Amino acid sequence: NAGVMQNPRHLVRRRGQEARLRCSPMKGHSHVYWYRQLPEEGLKFMVYLQKENIIDESGMPKERFSAEFPKEGPSILRIQQVVRGDSAAYFCASSPPLVGSITEAFFGQGTRLTVV
Amino acid sequence: DQQVKQNSPSLSVQEGRISILNCDYTNSMFDYFLWYKKYPAEGPTFLISISSIKDKNEDGRFTVFLNKSAKHLSLHIVPSQPGDSAVYFCAAYLSGGSNYKLTFGKGTLLTVNP
Repeated sequence: NAGVMQNPRHLVRRRGQEARLRCSPMKGHSHVYWYRQLPEEGLKFMVYLQKENIIDESGMPKERFSAEFPKEGPSILRIQQVVRGDSAAYFCASSPPLVGSITEAFFGQGTRLTVV
Repeated sequence: DQQVKQNSPSLSVQEGRISILNCDYTNSMFDYFLWYKKYPAEGPTFLISISSIKDKNEDGRFTVFLNKSAKHLSLHIVPSQPGDSAVYFCAAYLSGGSNYKLTFGKGTLLTVNP
């Protein structure tokens, strides 16, 4: 039973480019959470999604960031026109249906985004 | 505004001894607290939690203590083992349905020396 899979593990983008981060939840999980860890900081909540629905995006920057979790395929966190301040580790976690709780969630290994 | 604080960036302990990791919080509305462990190049792994209605929760070698009046919690690991060497994050969330929106501290790097 594979865990939460995130890819790529490392992503380098030049300023102004787009970054796409993918998260495949654990088998049977339908809730996905994205967190970001800036250098020297703790993880910060970004967005909570269920299949085809954004439940809570209160932690997402208002511009350039978007997230989706389609009916089929992985969840995608998309950052347009990246800036150096977007350099961080992005973690996603997933939890089973009917359990919208982070305590039942498993985290992926993260994607380390570096903007040059 | 940092609502969850881990003031010790690192801690070094001898194998077999007790490790005590501390965490302070400022938001009295937090009602659930968690500890996560993170190895390099891996995601955080849930370790242990405590509800605000309790003051202690124990799971094997791990015990979390909560002092609500001081807004302080601590994680005790006894006895410490080299495999416990990792970054430990304290986290909390508010009641009211947002039990997915954790506020994390910056973490404490624990090194257990053989």
